[in-house]
Amino acid sequence: KQEVTQIPAALSVPEGENLVLNCSFTDSAIYNLQWFRQDPGKGLTSLLLIQSSQREQTSGRLNASLDKSSGRSTLYIAASQPGDSATYLCAVRPRSGSARQLTFGSGTQLTVLP
Amino acid sequence: EAQVTQNPRYLITVTGKKLTVTCSQNMNHEYMSWYRQDPGLGLRQIYYSMNVEVTDKGDVPEGYKVSRKEKRNFPLILESPSPNQTSLYFCASSFHRGDTEAFFGQGTRLTVV
Repeated sequence: KQEVTQIPAALSVPEGENLVLNCSFTDSAIYNLQWFRQDPGKGLTSLLLIQSSQREQTSGRLNASLDKSSGRSTLYIAASQPGDSATYLCAVRPRSGSARQLTFGSGTQLTVLP
Repeated sequence: EAQVTQNPRYLITVTGKKLTVTCSQNMNHEYMSWYRQDPGLGLRQIYYSMNVEVTDKGDVPEGYKVSRKEKRNFPLILESPSPNQTSLYFCASSFHRGDTEAFFGQGTRLTVV
């Protein structure tokens, strides 16, 4: 059964720092990996989608990498801002089964201090 | 604007009173699903639908029903809600192909007292 782990569970950094969030998964048979942002009590906003054949995706100050063979992905946030404070979730979509369900990590709660 | 819309956003109800949470998407997606999010347990899939009139159980289907009579709508029904169904619920949709992006609704905060 696919398991997704995110480390660290919480992270606090001063404004302006570059930071890396980690995501690991146990089964490399995936279609893609998606990074989401969740603000407290709010919905999930998709940040980046990386297909299994890709190595990285970039959107603005965000860069996500994928190493499928080792079961790892990182989300790099450049020049962090207080508005980046949120919980970041990664999720993988498995190739096996018909459910197409995403398997989520438990998230990294990021706080960017002014 | 491409979106998944859930209603209501917040709901407080009493044990045993039937309720429905609606979900609608405007992207012509075949695949729709419901998740619940609980502290320490993360997001878990309740039910999913591959297309109209095709639904199946996810990991935690007990106490829930769904229907898919139209492609755009996928309501979640709690026939007799109980306090352990207090949770944050999300509806999601995507094309059926496995390599497509999943879109999520804004969530429904349900409290059952």
